[in-house]
Amino acid sequence: DQQVKQNSPSLSVQEGRISILNCDYTNSMFDYFLWYKKYPAEGPTFLISISSIKDKNEDGRFTVFLNKSAKHLSLHIVPSQPGDSAVYFCAASQRGGAQKLVFGQGTRLTINP
Amino acid sequence: DTAVSQTPKYLVTQMGNDKSIKCEQNLGHDTMYWYKQDSKKFLKIMFSYNNKELIINETVPNRFSPKSPDKAHLNLHINSLELGDSAVYFCASSPPAGGYEQYFGPGTRLTVT
Repeated sequence: DQQVKQNSPSLSVQEGRISILNCDYTNSMFDYFLWYKKYPAEGPTFLISISSIKDKNEDGRFTVFLNKSAKHLSLHIVPSQPGDSAVYFCAASQRGGAQKLVFGQGTRLTINP
Repeated sequence: DTAVSQTPKYLVTQMGNDKSIKCEQNLGHDTMYWYKQDSKKFLKIMFSYNNKELIINETVPNRFSPKSPDKAHLNLHINSLELGDSAVYFCASSPPAGGYEQYFGPGTRLTVT
């Protein structure tokens, strides 16, 4: 039972344009959401997070949007840069639990020059 | 100055062998984790330790045994290796309070032949 889903295995975007990565979840008990970025042969690197009490969190070029009613979150990267090419994982956690992260299967983002 | 380190980075071994993967973090975190990324690229929690105490133990064969000699180290020992154990294993750590961000090591690619 996959509780966090990233339905797009890959995404290709022109440099300078906006990249939008999507994530859906099924468990309504999740209340904290994170995005990780992963380069080949490296571990995932924390990018940005959002608590369920917010609907938007921004950090430089990265913005995460949360729609609780739709159980959907998205990561916007603008403007996209070649160094953003990586696999992006969405993850969710439940407050009060043991801080277990439940990951989506990842979206490979390719930024084309 | 590596925050979360794992050794070895690559491990090739035969079925039936016993092997260990070591993890160390110098972030002063209290909680450490082991995740497995399988061939379908899903990242799934296996174990979590908080101050040397086991707090998460997902449905993992008992051939896998984590050991935490102190809160900076969490090692993973695997007995009687099977072909299906081939995967990338990631260690992670997180601070004791606040957000749910976890910091990952570079991963250990285990190949069982």
